[in-house]
Amino acid sequence: QKEVEQNSGPLSVPEGAIASLNCTYSDRGSQSFFWYRQYSGKSPELIMSIYSNGDKEDGRFTAQLNKASQYVSLLIRDSQPSDSATYLCAVNAPRDGKLTFGQGTILTVHP
Amino acid sequence: NAGVTQTPKFRILKIGQSMTLQCTQDMNHNYMYWYRQDPGMGLKLIYYSVGAGITDKGEVPNGYNVSRSTTEDFPLRLELAAPSQTSVYFCATGTGANSGANVLTFGAGSRLTVL
Repeated sequence: QKEVEQNSGPLSVPEGAIASLNCTYSDRGSQSFFWYRQYSGKSPELIMSIYSNGDKEDGRFTAQLNKASQYVSLLIRDSQPSDSATYLCAVNAPRDGKLTFGQGTILTVHP
Repeated sequence: NAGVTQTPKFRILKIGQSMTLQCTQDMNHNYMYWYRQDPGMGLKLIYYSVGAGITDKGEVPNGYNVSRSTTEDFPLRLELAAPSQTSVYFCATGTGANSGANVLTFGAGSRLTVL
C-alpha cells in the first residue's frame, strides 16, 4: 500500500463548478496534512494545511480531514481556468520530519 | 532574501558520470529535503535532514548521497549516473514546527538528463 495515494486523474471540470480532490494515507499516526499546487514547469506551492478533523476554509478552497478514515480532501469552489494545475497531497510522518507526497492529480478547468 | 537556491538549473550527464546538485537556503530552517519528480508524476523523497549533521533516507535513496555540514547547505551527490536518474530534482526547506506544521518552501528545481 502506498503511503499517500490520490485519486487518479486527470480531472476536468467546467468553469464555475466545484472540483473535488481526494487523498488517503496509510500511517494512522500522521498529524499534518497539506495541499500543494504545481503549475507546469514550476515548483510546488502551498495552498492549504490542515491538522484537525473537520473542515478548513480559505477563500474558494476547503480542506477536509477525517483521521478515522485516513482521508483528506480539497474542494475548489467556483473553479477558474487559472486553477488548472497539478494538486499534490502531502502527509507529515508523526515521529520525524519525513514529508511524503502523493502522485498528484492533474486538474483542468475549461471555460 | 533568496529563499532556497538550487544550482545548476539544467545539466546533461553521460552514463557513469558523477555530479553534485547544490542547495542553499537563507531561511534558517532546520529541515531540508531532496525530491525527484518524473514526468507526470508526484514527488518522491530521496533524502532529508532535520538538522546539521543528521540525514536520513527517503523512498528512493539508491544512487544518491547527501551531507549536511551546515544549516544552510544540503548538496545531493549522484554517483555513476544512469538514465533512470533523468528527472527534475527539487530541494526544499521545512519549518519543522513542533506542532508538526512542517510547511515546505521549494527551490526552482534542477532538470537533469542522463544520456
